Amino acid sequence: GENVEQHPSTLSVQEGDSAVIKCTYSDSASNYFPWYKQELGKRPQLIIDIRSNVGEKKDQRIAVTLNKTAKHFSLHITETQPEDSAVYFCAASEGGGADGLTFGKGTHLIIQP
Amino acid sequence: AAGVIQSPRHLIKEKRETATLKCYPIPRHDTVYWYQQGPGQDPQFLISFYEKMQSDKGSIPDRFSAQQFSDYHSELNMSSLELGDSALYFCASSEGSQETQYFGPGTRLLVL
Repeated sequence: GENVEQHPSTLSVQEGDSAVIKCTYSDSASNYFPWYKQELGKRPQLIIDIRSNVGEKKDQRIAVTLNKTAKHFSLHITETQPEDSAVYFCAASEGGGADGLTFGKGTHLIIQP
Repeated sequence: AAGVIQSPRHLIKEKRETATLKCYPIPRHDTVYWYQQGPGQDPQFLISFYEKMQSDKGSIPDRFSAQQFSDYHSELNMSSLELGDSALYFCASSEGSQETQYFGPGTRLLVL
């Protein structure tokens, strides 16, 4: 089955700086890669997703890049703000047949004021 | 906008009891997914349904079963509960079997 590795497990950045979270996956059949933000005790909230026919996608301060050859995808958050503090999960699936998502272990992002 | 609804939001059970969790997907969403998230862990996929048929199966214990009904809501039935079943249970829904998954608020299950 799919295995998703996520790094780092904790990331502390100064407010206004950029944050980068990296994930690798093992199953070459995976072609859908969402990122979720989860605050303590709350639901995972989709912040951005990318499919394998796209190399990069951007939405305001958030961007995701995908390298299918290397089986690697990354989340970039620019101009970080205190409300960006949360746990971020990357995930992967084959993107078809109502496939379940395989999540990484999560990154606790801390924005220092 | 309407979101995924889960009930109950909190549930306390004794060991060896049974529990039923309910999920009402976003209107027009025909696919539901169930996930289990332990404290400090990532969500683990349990099972999914598309158009009322089981579609994908993850790490769902044999003590658990689920189904999707004609109105697309889904129920997760959990029997012979164990202490280790204490977790947050999330339901997610999507429109079509290949679309983005939106998560509900979760049911927090505590087994004593």
